[in-house]
Amino acid sequence: SYVLAQPPSVSVAPGKTARITCGGDNIGSKSVHWYQQKPGQAPVLVIYYDSDRPSGIPERFSGSNSGNTATLTISRVEAGDEADYYCQVWESGSDHFVFGTGTKVTVL
Amino acid sequence: EVQLVQSGAEVKKPGESLKISCKGSGYSFSIYWIAWVRQVPGKGLEWMGIISLGDSETKYSPSFQGQVTISADKSIRTAYLQWSSLKASDSAIYYCARQMGGTFWFDPWGQGTLVTVSS
Repeated sequence: SYVLAQPPSVSVAPGKTARITCGGDNIGSKSVHWYQQKPGQAPVLVIYYDSDRPSGIPERFSGSNSGNTATLTISRVEAGDEADYYCQVWESGSDHFVFGTGTKVTVL
Repeated sequence: EVQLVQSGAEVKKPGESLKISCKGSGYSFSIYWIAWVRQVPGKGLEWMGIISLGDSETKYSPSFQGQVTISADKSIRTAYLQWSSLKASDSAIYYCARQMGGTFWFDPWGQGTLVTVSS
C-alpha cells in the first residue's frame, strides 16, 4: 500500500516560516491535500489540489508538490498555528485514500 | 452552512454491537460521498472506508474490510458506521467527512464520536 511519510515534529519561532514535508513514491504525480488538527478538534482542510486554499484559510498557508515530496509552508507563523498537520492523497491504483503520519507543529 | 453532526460518545463492552451516525445538512446530499476516519487518541488519522450517498456504493480500506459496515439512509441524510462485535482495540475517535465525487479531499468533517470499549 502507498505510504506517506511526515516528520513527527517541526518547531518554529513566531513570525518565521514552517515547512512540513510529505514524502511518497512519485507523489508529484498525485494531488495532495493538507489538514490542520488542533487539540480536541476535528481536522480542517487547509490546502487542496497541492496548493489551493479553501475560503477562510489565510494566505500564509501554501503548498507545493514535486518529485517524491509535497510541502506545506506556513509563513509568518502565529501561536494559533500550533497543531498537528496531515497530508492526504487518493491512491488511484487501489481506489483508496491515504493519510500521512502527521506532523506536530510547535510554536516556540 | 454545511454541517456534519455525529452521534454522541459511546461506552460499550467487548462483544457488543454499535452503530454510530453522521447527519448532513446544508448541501445536496446525493452528489457526495461520506468517509469514516479513525483516530486512536494521540495517534494519526486512518481512512476506514467511504460510501456514495447517491447509490450507496461502498469502498473499504483493507485494514477495516470485514471489521465494520458502512451504510447510509438518504431519506434522513444520515450515514452510519457499525460494528457487530466490538473489541477493546476499537476504542478511538471516529470522524465522518464529506467528499464530493470527482474531488479527492474531505471537507467538512464531523465533530467526532468517541467510542470506548472496556470490560
